[in-house]
Amino acid sequence: QSALTQPPSASGSPGQSVTISCTGTSSDVGGYSYVSWYQQHPGKAPKLMIYEVTKRPSGVPDRFSGSKSGNTASLTVSGLQAEDEADYYCSSYAGINNVFGTGTKVTVL
Amino acid sequence: EVQLVESGGGLVQPGRSLRLSCTASGFSFDDYAMHWVRQVSGKGLEWVSGISWNSGSIGYADSVKGRFTISRDNAKNSLYLQMNSLRAEDTALYYCVKDICGGDCAAFDIWGQGTMVTVSS
Repeated sequence: QSALTQPPSASGSPGQSVTISCTGTSSDVGGYSYVSWYQQHPGKAPKLMIYEVTKRPSGVPDRFSGSKSGNTASLTVSGLQAEDEADYYCSSYAGINNVFGTGTKVTVL
Repeated sequence: EVQLVESGGGLVQPGRSLRLSCTASGFSFDDYAMHWVRQVSGKGLEWVSGISWNSGSIGYADSVKGRFTISRDNAKNSLYLQMNSLRAEDTALYYCVKDICGGDCAAFDIWGQGTMVTVSS
């Protein structure tokens, strides 16, 4: 039950796009279509941004999109805005259990 | 208003027990799976345990298996986490979390504010 692997940091200028990867195995990311992404600002609870790989909850801007290829899922934030600066975590179903990613700090330059 | 409110955290000595509670409001509690997720200060998220809508499916992280027990009382709109044989490494903020479906869809759309558990002598 190892954590999914994410890059520690990512950055982009306002208006640009940033993509965060989330690498697991065939027992989690690669085996199910239950990958989700969370945004967490300092001192706040996480917020669901993407679920079931590509779906956006109501109220989440369409600047946020998700995809998956094999054992790696990705979150893309297009048209970066200052408020997108936060920590981002992926999560995957892993058969009875769930596992989170290591987290990525996104900085808006 | 959809809300999850945790309670029961505190300072406890290693080896002792603690029971966390979570009270839900604003949605049909018995329609959804529920989870506990923890976060060490300044660190990442760790899924701890989850329970399906009818308690028919339960899962635990390897780090807590055999020590923690998750349960729910749908009549009371409440989720619980019984934590035994606590260790220093269990020190964290514990979040009560709602799944988007009745089984385990690994999508957590509602989070509580968290309750802090500190294990120290």
